[in-house]
Amino acid sequence: GQQLNQSPQSMFIQEGEDVSMNCTSSSIFNTWLWYKQDPGEGPVLLIALYKAGELTSNGRLTAQFGITRKDSFLNISASIPSDVGIYFCAGQLYSGSRLTFGEGTQLTVNP
Amino acid sequence: ETGVTQTPRHLVMGMTNKKSLKCEQHLGHNAMYWYKQSAKKPLELMFVYSLEERVENNSVPSRFSPECPNSSHLFLHLHTLQPEDSALYLCASSQVEGPEQYFGPGTRLTVT
Repeated sequence: GQQLNQSPQSMFIQEGEDVSMNCTSSSIFNTWLWYKQDPGEGPVLLIALYKAGELTSNGRLTAQFGITRKDSFLNISASIPSDVGIYFCAGQLYSGSRLTFGEGTQLTVNP
Repeated sequence: ETGVTQTPRHLVMGMTNKKSLKCEQHLGHNAMYWYKQSAKKPLELMFVYSLEERVENNSVPSRFSPECPNSSHLFLHLHTLQPEDSALYLCASSQVEGPEQYFGPGTRLTVT
């Protein structure tokens, strides 16, 4: 099946730093989604991207749909302790197809 | 209640027990999903219901049995589980035509 490679697997940063993570695939995706999962909770949808090159922000979060349609990026600016969690990317090959999830990036923010 | 709710949040069961997980969505969606989340692995899609019909069953063992009585409710019936079935079970919902899935908080299942 499809596979998404998400990197890095984990990050340890200081509060206030900016964060970048990405998701790559060998296949072309129609839609990219980014989720955050807090410990003991389900994933929460952060940003959805529908068009190659699209750049979308949600507060301090910015995500981009790669031009090749095989990758996506998530940036978090000025991190705070509540940014701690696991960030997942998900891609959809075509309308109506099932989502493929990455393995997640575990983010730790030190105060 | 808003969003997607799941009960119970935690469940410990023996291998011979029968239990059910419940999911309810308050978003007006018409597709619902069961996922299994194990440590260090991507989310595994188990079942998909679209307009109350099961449209996908990803080779899930028969000890897991889903039920979707209407577009707002989804159940996962469990019987004679194995210890390796211990995981976080997540329910999600979406519009059939849209990619955005909204997840519940999950049920942490431990099989002893």
